[in-house]
Order: sequence, then structure tokens, then C-alpha cells
Amino acid sequence: QKEVEQDPGPLSVPEGAIVSLNCTYSNSAFQYFMWYRQYSRKGPELLMYTYSSGNKEDGRFTAQVDKSSKYISLFIRDSQPSDSATYLCAMSDDNDMRFGAGTRLTVKP
Amino acid sequence: SQTIHQWPATLVQPVGSPLSLECTVEGTSNPNLYWYRQAAGRGLQLLFYSVGIGQISSEVPQNLSASRPQDRQFILSSKKLLLSDSGFYLCAWSALDNSPLHFGNGTRLTVT
Repeated sequence: QKEVEQDPGPLSVPEGAIVSLNCTYSNSAFQYFMWYRQYSRKGPELLMYTYSSGNKEDGRFTAQVDKSSKYISLFIRDSQPSDSATYLCAMSDDNDMRFGAGTRLTVKP
Repeated sequence: SQTIHQWPATLVQPVGSPLSLECTVEGTSNPNLYWYRQAAGRGLQLLFYSVGIGQISSEVPQNLSASRPQDRQFILSSKKLLLSDSGFYLCAWSALDNSPLHFGNGTRLTVT
């Protein structure tokens, strides 16, 4: 079992849809959780950073962490064609950071 | 604000040739610095990280080496490239342990 599992997609949605992206993990020591957005041929860009369980909202983006289930989610409301990218989850404890392989999202106009 | 510069953006090199990729960070002092390699569908693989000048930790034994000659400069090198060194190389920095990483725009290396 991989330490971080992320469905690679691809995921295709119409403009305006709500998008749900998810990761599961096995290391219960992870306390810090991140989502990155990566456009083609670019480096990952930090979208959300959360500590422990709970929700965090930033504009159209909401990050959820459920440590009891070892499950994190990123929701995108009112999705736009400019949201088309690969989304990577990441998580860390005091010693280690691990990344998901990324989910490729396309938002069609 | 902090910025990270990584160059070149793309590079095509023959097998057996040397490699030098450079990364610099502006707007912060004493950052943690990282080199990652990203393979399609396989996520990010940590290659090296550094917590200070001259302090390099290697995560994966391989044909590559890293150096940090200045506080905000991180260099990835190879004496002789292999075909398997082809990939997308990313430099990143963080302010503290457990702080999120901030990435450069990467170098696409093709070894022919």
C-alpha cells in the first residue's frame, strides 16, 4: 500500500460544476496537509495549507481533513476553465513530507 | 515577497555529459532547500534537501549530487548523465520544518 493514494483521473467536468478531489493516507502521524495546483510545464503552486482535522475555506476552494478516516478532500465551487490543472495533495509529520501522484482535472467551457 | 528562480526551463543533453541546474531564492534568509524529481503519474520524489550552507542530505542514492554554496543557492549536478536521469526537476524552499514547500517552475531534462 502506498503511503498516499490519489486517483489520477483524468476528471472532466463542465464549467460551474462542483469538483471534489480526494486523497487517502496510511501514516497517522501526518498532521499538516496541503493541496497544490500544477499547470502543464510549471511547478506546483500552493493552494491550501491546513493543520490537523477540520475545514478551511479560501474563496472557491475548501479543504477538508478527516484524520480519523485518514482522508482529505479539496472542493472547488463554480469551477472555471482556468482551474484545469493537475492537483496534488501533500502531507507531512515532523520528519517527512509525502505527495500524492496528482489528479488531472479539465473544466470544459 | 519571496520568489524562487530555477533555470534553465528545458535542457537536452547527451548521455555522459555533465549537468548543472541552479536554483536561487529571494526575499528570505536561511531557507530549507529541496530538489525533487517528478515522473508522470508517480508523484514527487525527494532527491536532496538542505537546512544550511554546506549541509546536504541525500534521499536517494543515484547519479546526482547537490551543493549549497550560498544561503539561497542550491545546485543539482551530475558528472555523467544517464538516460534514466531524464525527467522534470523541481527546486523548492520552505521557511521552517513542516512549513509548506514553495516550488520553482522546474527544468525539463531530456538525456539523449
